[in-house]
Amino acid sequence: GEDVEQSLFLSVREGDSSVINCTYTDSSSTYLYWYKQEPGAGLQLLTYIFSNMDMKQDQRLTVLLNKKDKHLSLRIADTQTGDSAIYFCAERRDDKIIFGKGTRLHILP
Amino acid sequence: KAGVTQTPRYLIKTRGQQVTLSCSPISGHRSVSWYQQTPGQGLQFLFEYFSETQRNKGNFPGRFSGRQFSNSRSEMNVSTLELGDSALYLCASSVEGAGNTIYFGEGSWLTVV
Repeated sequence: GEDVEQSLFLSVREGDSSVINCTYTDSSSTYLYWYKQEPGAGLQLLTYIFSNMDMKQDQRLTVLLNKKDKHLSLRIADTQTGDSAIYFCAERRDDKIIFGKGTRLHILP
Repeated sequence: KAGVTQTPRYLIKTRGQQVTLSCSPISGHRSVSWYQQTPGQGLQFLFEYFSETQRNKGNFPGRFSGRQFSNSRSEMNVSTLELGDSALYLCASSVEGAGNTIYFGEGSWLTVV
């Protein structure tokens, strides 16, 4: 398909791990990104991964990339209330960055 | 280092008017991209400027235009505003081009009434 696909909502209990999934479109995409948007704010770059990597870890964040299935995931360990936001997956395609519609992460007490 | 700065943050316009939004990129960044964010359509790419030249363009009507100045600052203009133009307009800058990692400003909230 043409679109970067993400599920729209995810609810997770505080302290659990959150896993946000994304399917991108272009197997030749070289960069894949995760951005976070808090209410009323712009997008904050969380992390990115090169297409020649399978995994990238950065503190509580783990990115997994499955190039064969064009699947990208973001795992947030020990989810906190401050992680409540919309998370956007994005791919670099044709010298543009194409975004998914975002996954709204809701934290349950 | 200061981040991407967008002005104004909030504005209300009436149908038929035009609007100009401004963006100052991160110092040293020569590429500026613009995105429109709406609840229904998500983030849609408008255009990208690099060294004062438009290098990429999304699928928006000609009412949407932009420019970049020699100091890399950019403006976007929307003429003959329609209700559907109500959105958050986000500017992002990067060192080389929109394909590299881009850093966003806080956005300009436009409401058309």
